[in-house]
Amino acid sequence: KNEVEQSPQNLTAQEGEFITINCSYSVGISALHWLQQHPGGGIVSLFMLSSGKKKHGRLIATINIQEKHSSLHITASHPRDSAVYICAVSLYGGSQGNLIFGKGTKLSVKP
Amino acid sequence: NAGVTQTPKFRILKIGQSMTLQCTQDMNHNYMYWYRQDPGMGLKLIYYSVGAGITDKGEVPNGYNVSRSTTEDFPLRLELAAPSQTSVYFCASNQLAGLYNEQFFGPGTRLTVL
Repeated sequence: KNEVEQSPQNLTAQEGEFITINCSYSVGISALHWLQQHPGGGIVSLFMLSSGKKKHGRLIATINIQEKHSSLHITASHPRDSAVYICAVSLYGGSQGNLIFGKGTKLSVKP
Repeated sequence: NAGVTQTPKFRILKIGQSMTLQCTQDMNHNYMYWYRQDPGMGLKLIYYSVGAGITDKGEVPNGYNVSRSTTEDFPLRLELAAPSQTSVYFCASNQLAGLYNEQFFGPGTRLTVL
C-alpha cells in the first residue's frame, strides 16, 4: 500500500464546476503539499499546510490531521486549471527533507 | 533569481552510454534532490544531498551516481544507461527549517534509453 493515496486518478469537469481532489496518507507527517504539474512537465508548489485550511484565489486546501486526509478544491473551474495535481508529504522527524508523493490526479476542464 | 535549472531538457541515449544531468540552484539552499517520474507513478527519490560534500541514497539509487562539490550544483550521473532508466528526471531544492519545507523544482529532463 502506498503511503500517499490520491483519488480520483482522472477527473473530467465542465468549466465552472466545483472540483475536489482527495489525498489520504498513512504516515506521520510534518506537512502536506499540493503541487501542480502542467503538460510540458514543470512542477510548482500550490500549498504547504500542517493544519486547517489555506486559500489562494480559487484554490482551497484543507487538512484533517486526525483522519490523515486532505482535500484540494477548485471553485469555478476553468480550462487553464487542466493539469496533474500531486499530493505529497514531508515525514514527521524526517531529516532528509524529501517528499513522499502520491501518483497524481489528472484534471481536464472542458469549455 | 533563476531558481532551479536543469539541462538538458531532452536526451535520447543508446543502451550502455553514459551521461550527466546537470542541476543548479541559485537560492543558496542546502538541501537538493533528484527524483524520477515514471508514467502512472509518483515521483521517487534517487539521491539527495544535505550540503556540499554530503550525499546519500534515496529509494531508487541503482544505476546512478551524484556529487555535490558546491552548494549550487548537484549533477546526476548515469554510467551504463538501461531502458529501465527511461523516465523524466526532476531536480529540486529546499532550505529545511523546522516545519518549513517548500520544495522548488527544476523544469525536468526527459530521458529515453533505446
